[in-house]
Amino acid sequence: EAGVAQSPRYKIIEKRQSVAFWCNPISGHATLYWYQQILGQGPKLLIQFQNNGVVDDSQLPKDRFSAERLKGVDSTLKIQPAKLEDSAVYLCASSLRQGLSGANVLTFGAGSRLTVL
Amino acid sequence: GNSVTQMEGPVTLSEEAFLTINCTYTATGYPSLFWYVQYPGEGLQLLLKATKADDKGSNKGFEATYRKETTSFHLEKGSVQVSDSAVYFCALRGTGANNLFFGTGTRLTVIP
Repeated sequence: EAGVAQSPRYKIIEKRQSVAFWCNPISGHATLYWYQQILGQGPKLLIQFQNNGVVDDSQLPKDRFSAERLKGVDSTLKIQPAKLEDSAVYLCASSLRQGLSGANVLTFGAGSRLTVL
Repeated sequence: GNSVTQMEGPVTLSEEAFLTINCTYTATGYPSLFWYVQYPGEGLQLLLKATKADDKGSNKGFEATYRKETTSFHLEKGSVQVSDSAVYFCALRGTGANNLFFGTGTRLTVIP
């Protein structure tokens, strides 16, 4: 099966500019996640969708970050305006469903690396 | 709350050496535990998992046992290869949740 697709792979912008990242999950995966991975740290959840609804966005800096999954399939993460500390890799992941099963595994995309100058 | 503490790196080993990367966790209830690996230029890949106490996850020669009494999930491999060079992340998922909490990662370099 095709994996999680993300684009662009790399993006360099200046602070205060805007940027958007796109993710297409594995076909049939209802749950989609955006993680932020700062250099030297583990990934941190930004937002989780179940179909086209938001399950958890408690760690999303809503003054500058937004995300949508309008048709319950692909998703876009936007940053506007960007700050220097937003430099990171933005990882998209998907899983079959939300539930209690420990076997419900997340599959990650290759990530989008953002550099803010 | 949920958290993962992972052995700091980097770790450099010679080929065929024994590997241990320590991971301990804090969680309420009965979390599921995972090891993910990130090869250079690639995304995170699931290496192995364990969903209940005393379970042993294994894959590609790597093993980890879910130890509830010591809240640990240490990763081991008996004989590492150059191709194992990567960053390894320990992660947990809390009871009834889907979100993963990650450790900071341990970079492993295996030299011939």
